[in-house]
Amino acid sequence: AQKITQTQPGMFVQEKEAVTLDCTYDTSDQSYGLFWYKQPSSGEMIFLIYQGSYDEQNATEGRYSLNFQKARKSANLVISASQLGDSAMYFCAMKGRGATNKLIFGTGTLLAVQP
Amino acid sequence: DSGVTQTPKHLITATGQRVTLRCSPRSGDLSVYWYQQSLDQGLQFLIQYYNGEERAKGNILERFSAQQFPDLHSELNLSSLELGDSALYFCASSSQADLYNEQFFGPGTRLTVL
Repeated sequence: AQKITQTQPGMFVQEKEAVTLDCTYDTSDQSYGLFWYKQPSSGEMIFLIYQGSYDEQNATEGRYSLNFQKARKSANLVISASQLGDSAMYFCAMKGRGATNKLIFGTGTLLAVQP
Repeated sequence: DSGVTQTPKHLITATGQRVTLRCSPRSGDLSVYWYQQSLDQGLQFLIQYYNGEERAKGNILERFSAQQFPDLHSELNLSSLELGDSALYFCASSSQADLYNEQFFGPGTRLTVL
């Protein structure tokens, strides 16, 4: 069975600093995708970044980068130069090959950016 | 704006009632997914449709059903509602039912059962 673990229920970071949100996963699939989503207090789910299991380079999207360590089964999200608007809930998710392409979500990390 | 629309945004109803949630996927997306987000269960996959056909089922109750119409919009029907069905219901869409296509989420429908 696939599982996503986010061990940090909440985190604080100072504005303009970098922050790393942890995510570990468990799967027996050889091919899978890892995703990060942001959920602000308004409730919508915003796609941030994607990493494929066969991608050799870490994914980057603007201030977001994914630190992918396949052997350790970790897919940590790094946000550089934090902004007040980054305060939100962050979810790590994975999708594996198989009959379904459902996303399996972690429990999320609540990030608070302090001025 | 993800391009996925959901109506209504908020829904308040009573136990035992039936409601219908509607979702329009992004233009060109064939795959629609429904997720439920509740405080005790987190984000859970309910059901997936691809081009009008059911593709996969998750933790969806028998009181819940869904369908995808020829114009690709989807509806999630919740019946005999219970207090525990109060949650945020998301619809997501992707362009193909394969591994690497990210899913784009709608704004959600917040259901409150009183």
